[in-house]
Amino acid sequence: KAGVTQTPRYLIKTRGQQVTLSCSPISGHRSVSWYQQTPGQGLQFLFEYFSETQRNKGNFPGRFSGRQFSNSRSEMNVSTLELGDSALYLCASSDPTGSMHTIYFGEGSWLTVV
Amino acid sequence: AQSVTQPDIHITVSEGASLELRCNYSYGATPYLFWYVQSPGQGLQLLLKYFSGDTLVQGIKGFEAEFKRSQSSFNLRKPSVHWSDAAEYFCAVGPVSGGSYIPTFGRGTSLIVHP
Repeated sequence: KAGVTQTPRYLIKTRGQQVTLSCSPISGHRSVSWYQQTPGQGLQFLFEYFSETQRNKGNFPGRFSGRQFSNSRSEMNVSTLELGDSALYLCASSDPTGSMHTIYFGEGSWLTVV
Repeated sequence: AQSVTQPDIHITVSEGASLELRCNYSYGATPYLFWYVQSPGQGLQLLLKYFSGDTLVQGIKGFEAEFKRSQSSFNLRKPSVHWSDAAEYFCAVGPVSGGSYIPTFGRGTSLIVHP
């Protein structure tokens, strides 16, 4: 079974631009969550989607948004990029209906804002 | 609110030596506990997890962890460290509420392995 796939792996953007990151969950997993990882703040939860609905949201500004499609694939968007948005963005998927409530991470998308 | 503390930011061990990484949690009920490992430039890989039952949990790569409710701890151990174990290790605790699982992660412990 293929793991969580994130694209692109690396990207460089300029301040003020926007970026869209994509995540394909493990087959059968309907929950997708996003995390931001930085050296200073560690792993921070952004949001979780289940069946195309945002179910949980972390404490991030409205510039950070996401969506989930009917095939469970998810995208997150960051608008009006700031230097502080430079981070590793991790996507994770899980099957909350199963008995083993475990999330599986992708390899992440490295975003550098210059 | 739940929280996870990993008291050691860095740990340095010699190859072949034993390892113990500490994790303390705060959670109101029986926790779901996890250890993840992150190699440089990579995502997080699940090492092991505890939900219930036997408090000594075996994971991949020769790792094990012991859940001690009285100490609110879930320390990760390995009897003999290999150079390839050098990585960042994260402890996490999470509830299952309404089908959502949003874990809280510790800040991580960086493991350095000397030859």
